[in-house]
Amino acid sequence: DGGITQSPKYLFRKEGQNVTLSCEQNLNHDAMYWYRQDPGQGLRLIYYSQIVNDFQKGDIAEGYSVSREKKESFPLTVTSAQKNPTAFYLCATKTGTRLTEAFFGQGTRLTVV
Amino acid sequence: SQQGEEDPQALSIQEGENATMNCSYKTSINNLQWYRQNSGRGLVHLILIRSNEREKHSGRLRVTLDTSKKSSSLLITASRAADTASYFCATDLRTGNQFYFGTGTSLTVIP
Repeated sequence: DGGITQSPKYLFRKEGQNVTLSCEQNLNHDAMYWYRQDPGQGLRLIYYSQIVNDFQKGDIAEGYSVSREKKESFPLTVTSAQKNPTAFYLCATKTGTRLTEAFFGQGTRLTVV
Repeated sequence: SQQGEEDPQALSIQEGENATMNCSYKTSINNLQWYRQNSGRGLVHLILIRSNEREKHSGRLRVTLDTSKKSSSLLITASRAADTASYFCATDLRTGNQFYFGTGTSLTVIP
């Protein structure tokens, strides 16, 4: 069953804690992306990766970190430096060529308590 | 900075009417895509239009692209209650590997 799995679906974080959101794909796609979505807002690009062991910052990378040690996995860590982390986080993949669609996971809703 | 801006932000229509939403972007693109998002879910791809295309159809969807104005429109004909969702445009830039989304239009179709 091909697709993108984001986990957990809901995540609660205490202030000052780091948390890691998981994104795993079995589509054999090269490119992976993390977006943040605030209520009623569009998607803002946090980080993206085109190949293993390489990634670039998006527009709002401050307070976040990523790794791409395997093609299938692109975890996002929300650090304590991110002052307003409560949001809906979406992971997406593409084959890496430009004329292709993106596939999305079902998202992780992170709440700071 | 976000690549795309959509308008209107929200649109409410009666079932059977057509819905039109617009997207403007900032830099040269390779292609433009439209996505749909049901509340609290991931996005689903609807249609892709290349930068050298002006119009494309898929079922009840019609997309236009005007690269001189850096704008695109999505028309949904004969809308249904099930079309209620948020719609986003996304751009593959001509240079670089970013994939940007717009601010979205929230469509409500009233049965």
